[in-house]
Amino acid sequence: AQSVTQLGSHVSVSEGALVLLRCNYSSSVPPYLFWYVQYPNQGLQLLLKYTSAATLVKGINGFEAEFKKSETSFHLTKPSAHMSDAAEYFCAVTGFSGGYNKLIFGAGTRLAVHP
Amino acid sequence: DAGVIQSPRHEVTEMGQEVTLRCKPISGHDYLFWYRQTMMRGLELLIYFNNNVPIDDSGMPEDRFSAKMPNASFSTLKIQPSEPRDSAVYFCASSLRRGGSDEQYFGPGTRLTVT
Repeated sequence: AQSVTQLGSHVSVSEGALVLLRCNYSSSVPPYLFWYVQYPNQGLQLLLKYTSAATLVKGINGFEAEFKKSETSFHLTKPSAHMSDAAEYFCAVTGFSGGYNKLIFGAGTRLAVHP
Repeated sequence: DAGVIQSPRHEVTEMGQEVTLRCKPISGHDYLFWYRQTMMRGLELLIYFNNNVPIDDSGMPEDRFSAKMPNASFSTLKIQPSEPRDSAVYFCASSLRRGGSDEQYFGPGTRLTVT
């Protein structure tokens, strides 16, 4: 079975500062990992995904995430925060074990960016 | 493509009334998902379909909830009778199965308020 833990339900950074959103996963099979972003009053949109091709994954809007198997982590980073990055971010995991595997979402981290 | 389309965007109804939420997935996608999002419980998968057939409805909270997918381009989620605790944002998502790391595309959601 798979699960995801996002550390910190709220993160606040200054514009231009580093963004670091933490995600740890648990999976009994090699995982696929995702980061989604949800802007106010909108659905979720894929930022990036890890599919075992490369441990450092680059996504849209300057975000990237690094898969670390030894730490069971998939933290999301962006070197310089922009006001438009304010949103809620969800980490999700699925695993290939035959058949279709459901996405398991974390509780989400709300990112605030202040001037 | 127009993306996943949901209607209505907002629904306000009184307790005991029937509510029907509608979803049009992205053309060509073979999986469709219904999620519910609340502050208390986060994002929950209610049910998903493959090629119009319900595969897993273990997330449906009660018999008051039912979902159908009569064809590849339309699905409904019905609540009868509705209760105030059903108030939430309901998302529909669709995906095309390629091999396990499939991205889900989310609609904008329907915000349901039951008074």
